[in-house]
Amino acid sequence: DAGVIQSPRHEVTEMGQEVTLRCKPISGHDYLFWYRQTMMRGLELLIYFNNNVPIDDSGMPEDRFSAKMPNASFSTLKIQPSEPRDSAVYFCASSPGPTTSSYNSPLHFGNGTRLTVT
Amino acid sequence: GENVEQHPSTLSVQEGDSAVIKCTYSDSASNYFPWYKQELGKRPQLIIDIRSNVGEKKDQRIAVTLNKTAKHFSLHITETQPEDSAVYFCAASGGVSNAGKSTFGDGTTLTVKP
Repeated sequence: DAGVIQSPRHEVTEMGQEVTLRCKPISGHDYLFWYRQTMMRGLELLIYFNNNVPIDDSGMPEDRFSAKMPNASFSTLKIQPSEPRDSAVYFCASSPGPTTSSYNSPLHFGNGTRLTVT
Repeated sequence: GENVEQHPSTLSVQEGDSAVIKCTYSDSASNYFPWYKQELGKRPQLIIDIRSNVGEKKDQRIAVTLNKTAKHFSLHITETQPEDSAVYFCAASGGVSNAGKSTFGDGTTLTVKP
């Protein structure tokens, strides 16, 4: 398995531009998570999906951020318009979810997208 | 919702010494506690995890202990090596309201001095 695949690895854009980050989860994983990592705020959960359905988007900073999961093998995180404070590393992660004995499973992270907004 | 606190935020040890990182959680329904290691410029990766039906788990130089009554769990690294230098994150998950979701601590930056 290739693991969680994110693209692009690096994105540099100017303030006001639209940014789209992409993620392909591990096949068979029912849960997909989008995290943002900064020095100041650590790892923040932005949104997560179960079986392609958004479950909790309370971490999405504001209306400029949106996420979709049109099918089990693809998700996008879009920022429109982007601002310098959005500069961070954005991680996508996937997980099989709870086991039959109701214990959760570990997250498998992608390599992240380093976003710089100038 | 779940809240996870992690201490210390930074830890510096001499090579060969032990390192201990502690986390507390707030939701008594949480039942799964993974630890992730993130090397500089890399993604977080699972190093060890523990379920609530177990008090301790060990994997070579790494061990995790869990005290459900006190709602805290700890990562122990023995005989530290320079390659152990990284940021370590604890997490808590489980329970009906958090099925599938993990809440992370703020991370501990471990530096192992040769």
